[in-house]
Amino acid sequence: DTGVSQDPRHKITKRGQNVTFRCDPISEHNRLYWYRQTLGQGPEFLTYFQNEAQLEKSRLLSDRFSAERPKGSFSTLEIQRTEQGDSAMYLCASSFAVGATNEKLFFGSGTQLSVL
Amino acid sequence: DQQVKQNSPSLSVQEGRISILNCDYTNSMFDYFLWYKKYPAEGPTFLISISSIKDKNEDGRFTVFLNKSAKHLSLHIVPSQPGDSAVYFCAAPNAGGTSYGKLTFGQGTILTVHP
Repeated sequence: DTGVSQDPRHKITKRGQNVTFRCDPISEHNRLYWYRQTLGQGPEFLTYFQNEAQLEKSRLLSDRFSAERPKGSFSTLEIQRTEQGDSAMYLCASSFAVGATNEKLFFGSGTQLSVL
Repeated sequence: DQQVKQNSPSLSVQEGRISILNCDYTNSMFDYFLWYKKYPAEGPTFLISISSIKDKNEDGRFTVFLNKSAKHLSLHIVPSQPGDSAVYFCAAPNAGGTSYGKLTFGQGTILTVHP
């Protein structure tokens, strides 16, 4: 078990381009989360999946953002028509939990996005 | 609305001394709190947690204190070591949500422990 893996580690793109990030969670974990962190701030929740179902999305997640977890394993986060304000660290985390119980998140190292 | 606040952006401590990191919250519905530690170029890692039914939780050199009436929690590290130098975040799960993994984080405090 190598923990939560994210790819790529860094992404530089031009404004208006589409980008896609991948997250591979810890294999037995049923929940997967996406967070975004900007400089000097803590991570902010974007969305989460339980198995393949996307159960909640933050209002931070505009229509340009879409996330999938097609087989309840890895997940992708796509940003269409990127804007400079999308520049941030995108963090993925996973956990195993049933219902609304205290759970420990395991984070990946993140994908640093820079939009020029 | 910043529901979890860490008002000290940074803290510098001598090795062997105590580090005290503070966190305030505004949402009285929060009933569970966590501290995460983050090294550069890595994701946050869980450090310690506390339920609102307790006022103290201890794990080795790390102790978290919760003062519900003041809506304040603190993380004590004793003794501090240079390897503790990192960004520390306090966080709380979204009250009333379907998942306790939907966390509200503070802004973080950069701890530097000098040898």
